[in-house]
Amino acid sequence: QVQLVQSGPELKKPGASVKVSCKASGYTFSNFGVTWLRQAPGQGLEWMGWVSPYNGNTKYAQKYQGRVSLTTDTSTTTAYMELRSLRSDDTAMYYCVRGGSGTGKGWFDPWGQGTLVTVSS
Amino acid sequence: QSVLTQPPSVSAAPGQTVTISCSGSSSNIGNNYVFWYQQLPGTAPKLLMYENNKRPSEIPDRFSGSKSGTSATLGITGLQTGDEADYFCASWDNNLSAWVFGGGTKVTVL
Repeated sequence: QVQLVQSGPELKKPGASVKVSCKASGYTFSNFGVTWLRQAPGQGLEWMGWVSPYNGNTKYAQKYQGRVSLTTDTSTTTAYMELRSLRSDDTAMYYCVRGGSGTGKGWFDPWGQGTLVTVSS
Repeated sequence: QSVLTQPPSVSAAPGQTVTISCSGSSSNIGNNYVFWYQQLPGTAPKLLMYENNKRPSEIPDRFSGSKSGTSATLGITGLQTGDEADYFCASWDNNLSAWVFGGGTKVTVL
C-alpha cells in the first residue's frame, strides 16, 4: 500500500538546523509531488512547500523562503525537509504528504506519521 | 489567524447530524476546490473529501461535502463516537499562491 514513513523526533537548540526524511513506498515516486506541512501544538495546519521528485522543482510558502529546503532522492524514494535558523516557535509536528502541487492542483493523501521537532535551549 | 474560517467546535448526540462550515473568499474557495481532512486524536490527518464533494473509496457515505460561492460545508450524518476528531478544510489561494487551511473544528459526540 502507499505509505510515507518519516524519521524520528528531533530536539534542537535555537539557531540550529533540522533535516527530516520521508521514505515513500507503494507507488511510482516520481509521479507525485511531495508536500510538507506543519502543525504547532494545539494549532491548525500550515503549508510549508512542495517539491517534485520528477524534476526537483519546488514551491515554498513565502513565510519560509530562504529558510527551508525541500529535496528528493529518487534512488531511495526519499524526500527531505531542511529547516534552518530554528526558533522556539518552530516547535511543531512536521508532516510529509503525497500530492498537492505548487499551483493548487491535487490533494494530500496519504500523510506520513509526523515528526516532532522541538526547539529548546 | 487562519485564512479559512471554521467554528472551533460542534457537538451532537450519537446518530444525529452535524455540519461544519468553512468560509473563505474569492481568492481561495470561490475559485478553487475545497478539501477536508479528519484528524483523529493523536494521529496524522487523513483525506476525507476532495474536490468539494468527492469521497475516497474508504470514506462512508455518512460524510458529505458541498460548496457554494466562497463557503463550503462538511456534513456528518448518523454521528458515531469514532467520528470524534478535528476536521480541517483546505483550498488553494490564488493571491497568496499557497495552500491555506481553516483553523479546525473539533467534533464532540455527546
